[in-house]
Amino acid sequence: DTAVSQTPKYLVTQMGNDKSIKCEQNLGHDTMYWYKQDSKKFLKIMFSYNNKELIINETVPNRFSPKSPDKAHLNLHINSLELGDSAVYFCASSQPSDSYEQYFGPGTRLTVT
Amino acid sequence: QQPVQSPQAVILREGEDAVINCSSSKALYSVHWYRQKHGEAPVFLMILLKGGEQKGHDKISASFNEKKQQSSLYLTASQLSYSGTYFCGTEIITGKLIFGQGTTLQVKP
Repeated sequence: DTAVSQTPKYLVTQMGNDKSIKCEQNLGHDTMYWYKQDSKKFLKIMFSYNNKELIINETVPNRFSPKSPDKAHLNLHINSLELGDSAVYFCASSQPSDSYEQYFGPGTRLTVT
Repeated sequence: QQPVQSPQAVILREGEDAVINCSSSKALYSVHWYRQKHGEAPVFLMILLKGGEQKGHDKISASFNEKKQQSSLYLTASQLSYSGTYFCGTEIITGKLIFGQGTTLQVKP
């Protein structure tokens, strides 16, 4: 059973388009995250939700909008895609009682042309 | 605010030891260590908590100097499977990890 899953795995799109990435976890965790990893492997937190409530919102362009319909799902919608949005986006989940040990999804490689 | 890792890259022969350091300018709740292999997701290795508690891998050890806001990851008798990029993640605000720039480790036969 996959603990944290993401779809799609690869996403190739043109500048200006809108796209979504979906994430689901079956670990029963309360907290979910979106991270962006750029070409230099820098792993940066974007958002975090705890029980569907946004608790961390880093300096991310307004074009990025997360949504958590329930505590097992966290989606990321990106409007008006730009070349600089090309990266690997990782979803992760954790539980406060586990000291926020992060379980990462397989990643979505987004390429904007 | 991003922690600084050193060295940036290490090349080892199987069986050799390595130490990866992570240094923060902020007071920390905890330090996490993760390993990422090429094309894969980061995988949890260890958490070091303020107060001395550790959770994680039984074949990898680490230390956390709370006063200096520094942590070190010790990889002993390295195996080929240890190759990858190692990230420390520092927890300054509860639940929020800020990752270092990564240390690439290559173990050769």
